[in-house]
Amino acid sequence: EAGVAQSPRYKIIEKRQSVAFWCNPISGHATLYWYQQILGQGPKLLIQFQNNGVVDDSQLPKDRFSAERLKGVDSTLKIQPAKLEDSAVYLCASSSDRGHTDTQYFGPGTRLTVL
Amino acid sequence: AQSVTQLDSHVSVSEGTPVLLRCNYSSSYSPSLFWYVQHPNKGLQLLLKYTSAATLVKGINGFEAEFKKSETSFHLTKPSAHMSDAAEYFCVVVSIGGSYIPTFGRGTSLIVHP
Repeated sequence: EAGVAQSPRYKIIEKRQSVAFWCNPISGHATLYWYQQILGQGPKLLIQFQNNGVVDDSQLPKDRFSAERLKGVDSTLKIQPAKLEDSAVYLCASSSDRGHTDTQYFGPGTRLTVL
Repeated sequence: AQSVTQLDSHVSVSEGTPVLLRCNYSSSYSPSLFWYVQHPNKGLQLLLKYTSAATLVKGINGFEAEFKKSETSFHLTKPSAHMSDAAEYFCVVVSIGGSYIPTFGRGTSLIVHP
């Protein structure tokens, strides 16, 4: 079974530029999560999708971050414009359902550096 | 509201000695609790989870954790550390009856000395 795929693995941009990350979850997984992991901290949930609907985006900085999940499969996360404090690893995860007992399967992450 | 506190940012042990990684949680509802491990340059992987069944949970690689409601704790243990256990460990809470938003702790770095 293929795991969660993310691209790119690394990205370096200047502040005020735009960037987009892509995630392809495990086939058949209904729930998809995007996390931000700043160095030395635990992952922070940015947005959670159930199929192609948003379950929670309360921690997503909506003035600069946006995300979509077309057709309930893969997803993109965009930052526009980027700030220095956006430097982090962006993790995508998926689970088979939205239940509280579900195991999340994580991708390798995208490391973003904003200069 | 829910939160997770991992009481140690770093834990250092010698190979072959016991491991204890501490986690306390706060939740307005009954929680599900998870431990994930992150090895260098690898993705997060589930170690074990508690989902309101048995309070003593066994996971992969010899790890186990005990859910103690009275102490609001979910500490991770292993009888004998191995060099390959060196990694970052995260405790996670998801509240039953809440919005099912996973909340991660800050992580504990386990260092294993030969």
